[in-house]
Amino acid sequence: EPEVTQTPSHQVTQMGQEVILRCVPISNHLYFYWYRQILGQKVEFLVSFYNNEISEKSEIFDDQFSVERPDGSNFTLKIRSTKLEDSAMYFCASSEAAETDTQYFGPGTRLTVL
Amino acid sequence: SQQGEEDPQALSIQEGENATMNCSYKTSINNLQWYRQNSGRGLVHLILIRSNEREKHSGRLRVTLDTSKKSSSLLITASRAADTASYFCFYGNNRLAFGKGNQVVVIP
Repeated sequence: EPEVTQTPSHQVTQMGQEVILRCVPISNHLYFYWYRQILGQKVEFLVSFYNNEISEKSEIFDDQFSVERPDGSNFTLKIRSTKLEDSAMYFCASSEAAETDTQYFGPGTRLTVL
Repeated sequence: SQQGEEDPQALSIQEGENATMNCSYKTSINNLQWYRQNSGRGLVHLILIRSNEREKHSGRLRVTLDTSKKSSSLLITASRAADTASYFCFYGNNRLAFGKGNQVVVIP
């Protein structure tokens, strides 16, 4: 069964460094998403992406965040200058037809900022 | 942004019992979805119910939707230890978020 994959599973970085989290959505899906979950808290929406552009973003998704689909398979989340409070689990998801369609989530990348 | 809100619950039940959890939301929806998250793991989609449906079954799962009350319930019948997880509702909207989740512990 097709699935969303994410790499790395765990990323440790120093405060102020840039990180890129990678996702490979399900191949025939057209909508892509990033969420984050701070330890012990709820899952929060960051951004949705369709047709090579951001379709929606939350207040969390400020100028230090960016997303890109550099090729036909990868979908990346870049954090330019990490802060301690960026430490969280980051989930990528994709859906086939629309943002209201079932979303399939990857296993997540745990980001630890020291 | 609006989001699905579960009645915050921490359920602890014996294996074989049923587990029921509820969710309320605030706006119109296209559909409502339930997801499960095992501790420290990713989110797994369980079931989607569309706004014109009132009840849906999938295996041991039963979901109801009452659009007049803007609420949904998820019933897990004959629970198993492997059902121990957090359960989130999430409704179809392009501002997407989850509630805090219902923690369910099934005791063998």
